[in-house]
Amino acid sequence: NAGVTQTPKFRVLKTGQSMTLLCAQDMNHEYMYWYRQDPGMGLRLIHYSVGEGTTAKGEVPDGYNVSRLKKQNFLLGLESAAPSQTSVYFCASSYWRDRPGIFGSGTQLSVL
Amino acid sequence: AQSVTQLDSHVSVSEGTPVLLRCNYSSSYSPSLFWYVQHPNKGLQLLLKYTSAATLVKGINGFEAEFKKSETSFHLTKPSAHMSDAAEYFCVVSVESNTGKLIFGQGTTLQVKP
Repeated sequence: NAGVTQTPKFRVLKTGQSMTLLCAQDMNHEYMYWYRQDPGMGLRLIHYSVGEGTTAKGEVPDGYNVSRLKKQNFLLGLESAAPSQTSVYFCASSYWRDRPGIFGSGTQLSVL
Repeated sequence: AQSVTQLDSHVSVSEGTPVLLRCNYSSSYSPSLFWYVQHPNKGLQLLLKYTSAATLVKGINGFEAEFKKSETSFHLTKPSAHMSDAAEYFCVVSVESNTGKLIFGQGTTLQVKP
């Protein structure tokens, strides 16, 4: 089925550990985004990409890195996890900048 | 700078009564505006979008929203609430026309009582 797939769905980390979240889309979308959702704050943009090989910082990029080596994949990395990064992470993709994003089902991350 | 404010963090209605979720925006150019819905433990689903065409926008599941430039508002309405409408709703504005970046409101939790 076409859509946006996030892996993993749940993860628990200890402070200082690293991990990578994978976002994959099979709709040939150019634009991809990583958001985090925290209670009472809506979704905030971490990083985004406007095409293969490009990345840019969003609203809250500190502590995260991203890569877009292949058009269909957008990876979000945490090099040294901190409790403040406990959140639900959503990936989205869109075909054109004026089109709203298609969202994945989210990754719930807890950092202890 | 672009921003969006949802005026109510929580709205409670009875089943069968009208729903009004309020959203004000700030944008330095003609914005694209969206409403998304998020059911518990689910991803976000697009309800409707405004992109400078008709000011009254109809979405899925009987929802609609009216873009009022003079009031900088984009309120979401539905004539009759169903139990299945209980969810969190986000008003969203497009930040930059060349990147598709979105700014989300804080969200409004809609409770529907039987």
